Amino acid sequence: KQEVTQIPAALSVPEGENLVLNCSFTDSAIYNLQWFRQDPGKGLTSLLLIQSSQREQTSGRLNASLDKSSGRSTLYIAASQPGDSATYLCAVLGGGTSYGKLTFGQGTILTVHP
Amino acid sequence: DAGVIQSPRHEVTEMGQEVTLRCKPISGHNSLFWYRQTMMRGLELLIYFNNNVPIDDSGMPEDRFSAKMPNASFSTLKIQPSEPRDSAVYFCASRRDQMYHEQYFGPGTRLTVT
Repeated sequence: KQEVTQIPAALSVPEGENLVLNCSFTDSAIYNLQWFRQDPGKGLTSLLLIQSSQREQTSGRLNASLDKSSGRSTLYIAASQPGDSATYLCAVLGGGTSYGKLTFGQGTILTVHP
Repeated sequence: DAGVIQSPRHEVTEMGQEVTLRCKPISGHNSLFWYRQTMMRGLELLIYFNNNVPIDDSGMPEDRFSAKMPNASFSTLKIQPSEPRDSAVYFCASRRDQMYHEQYFGPGTRLTVT
């Protein structure tokens, strides 16, 4: 059964810092990995999708990498801002009994203080 | 594009009452997902449909929960009878296909059962 772990569970940084959020998964047979952001009381917003054949994806100040063989992904946020404060979740799409379903990590709660 | 639409946004009901949550997926998306999110258990997949057919309902907690997708643009999640432990935020999400595209979430329905 696929398990997804996110480290750290919470992170507090001053504005302007570059930071890295980590995601690991136990079964490397995935189709893709998706990073989401969730603001308090809101739904999930898709940030980046990395297909299994890709190594990284970039969108603005965000860069996500994928190392499928080692079961790891990182989300890099450059020059963090208070508006980046949210919960960040990673999710993997697997095959087999998980075909078509995303398996989510528990999330990293990010606080960027001015 | 209007995104995934859910109604109602908030629902407060008494134990034993029937609750119906509604979802309209993004036009052209043929996979639809129902999730439940609580502080204790995080984000749980309840059921997912592909081309209006239920593919996996293994996450449906018990017979009190049922879901339907009568056409490509509408789905319901029904709880009958509702119990206080059903209180949670219920999300609907859709995806263009089963495997290779981003999954988009609706804003959620916050259900409180007293």
